[in-house]
Amino acid sequence: DAGVTQSPTHLIKTRGQHVTLRCSPISGHKSVSWYQQVLGQGPQFIFQYYEKEERGRGNFPDRFSARQFPNYSSELNVNALLLGDSALYLCASSLALSANTGELFFGEGSRLTVL
Amino acid sequence: GNSVTQMEGPVTLSEEAFLTINCTYTATGYPSLFWYVQYPGEGLQLLLKATKADDKGSNKGFEATYRKETTSFHLEKGSVQVSDSAVYFCALSDQRGSTLGRLYFGRGTQLTVWP
Repeated sequence: DAGVTQSPTHLIKTRGQHVTLRCSPISGHKSVSWYQQVLGQGPQFIFQYYEKEERGRGNFPDRFSARQFPNYSSELNVNALLLGDSALYLCASSLALSANTGELFFGEGSRLTVL
Repeated sequence: GNSVTQMEGPVTLSEEAFLTINCTYTATGYPSLFWYVQYPGEGLQLLLKATKADDKGSNKGFEATYRKETTSFHLEKGSVQVSDSAVYFCALSDQRGSTLGRLYFGRGTQLTVWP
């Protein structure tokens, strides 16, 4: 079975531009979460979507937005890019909502470089 | 608030050495605790978890015990192998909302094992 797939794997943008990152969850998983991992640090939570509804949002500015489609795939959008947005963006999917029974499955990430 | 503190890396060991990676946490409510591993070129993978105090998570020879009195979840392995070389992340999930998607990660500890 395919795992969590993300695209693109690498991309380079300039300050002020917009970027869209895409994620396809594992088949049957209805929850998708997005994380930002800056070099040398642990992943930081950006958003969670479940059944196409936003279920959680981390401490990120409004330049960051996301959505989930009827097939449970998801997009992360970042507007007005800043140098500090350079990071690895991780998508994770899960079958369950409960931390007691569920497990997060991560994709390999999209590496964004902002020049 | 919720946070995780991991020991600074990198950690370099010889094959068959004993491994400890320290992790302490601060949390509201009753968190679940996780260790994730990131092998070179791959996405984050769940290594083990514990959902309540005194639980011991174990997998692939790794163990960690949920210690509420010391707010710790230290990762141990009795005899490391070269194939264990990876970055290890300690994480917690706030149980109050019972929402799996939001994890709080430590900064990660790079482990290198030499033959």
